[in-house]
Amino acid sequence: SQKIEQNSEALNIQEGKTATLTCNYTNYSPAYLQWYRQDPGRGPVFLLLIRENEKEKRKERLKVTFDTTLKQSLFHITASQPADSATYLCALENGGATNKLIFGTGTLLAVQP
Amino acid sequence: ETGVTQSPTHLIKTRGQQVTLRCSSQSGHNTVSWYQQALGQGPQFIFQYYREEENGRGNFPPRFSGLQFPNYSSELNVNALELDDSALYLCASSPGMGRDEQFFGPGTRLTVL
Repeated sequence: SQKIEQNSEALNIQEGKTATLTCNYTNYSPAYLQWYRQDPGRGPVFLLLIRENEKEKRKERLKVTFDTTLKQSLFHITASQPADSATYLCALENGGATNKLIFGTGTLLAVQP
Repeated sequence: ETGVTQSPTHLIKTRGQQVTLRCSSQSGHNTVSWYQQALGQGPQFIFQYYREEENGRGNFPPRFSGLQFPNYSSELNVNALELDDSALYLCASSPGMGRDEQFFGPGTRLTVL
């Protein structure tokens, strides 16, 4: 069956450290993968998009990798800050005419000062 | 440029009733997608509209229906509400049918009693 899995438990890290979040998928062949941030009671906010032919993408303190062989994406936040505390969602697009996104359940990140 | 807005913010209905949720997309965005997000889960794709035509549907029954209007507004209608319909309903707009980031609204929290 098709599955997208993210760290089910909350990730607690110390301010200044690098947070690494994992997104694994099975029985999908995504053309691209996106990462979103969601704060409580708010809609998701787009962070990064990486295509199947890209290995790595960076934006300021954020980095995402995409390994289509391992069927995995890693999302890194360097020099983390308490303001980075939120739920991070990975979403993949499985081809077709629509840009329908299939979301994982998200990982709650808590950055301790 | 205004962002994506949704109304109402919160709504309480009883089982069997009907509800209409509204969304106003960003100007120039021809595509709107609707998602249902249960507590602790990632958003689940309901359907997408492109230039006022339905352009893809997720695994939701026909009592979930939608409309998109030329003025970048759209509606999600749910008939015969069930307790399990309690969730955050999100709309997201994007500029075209391409593989773009999606801009989410803040959501409507629906509670069915």
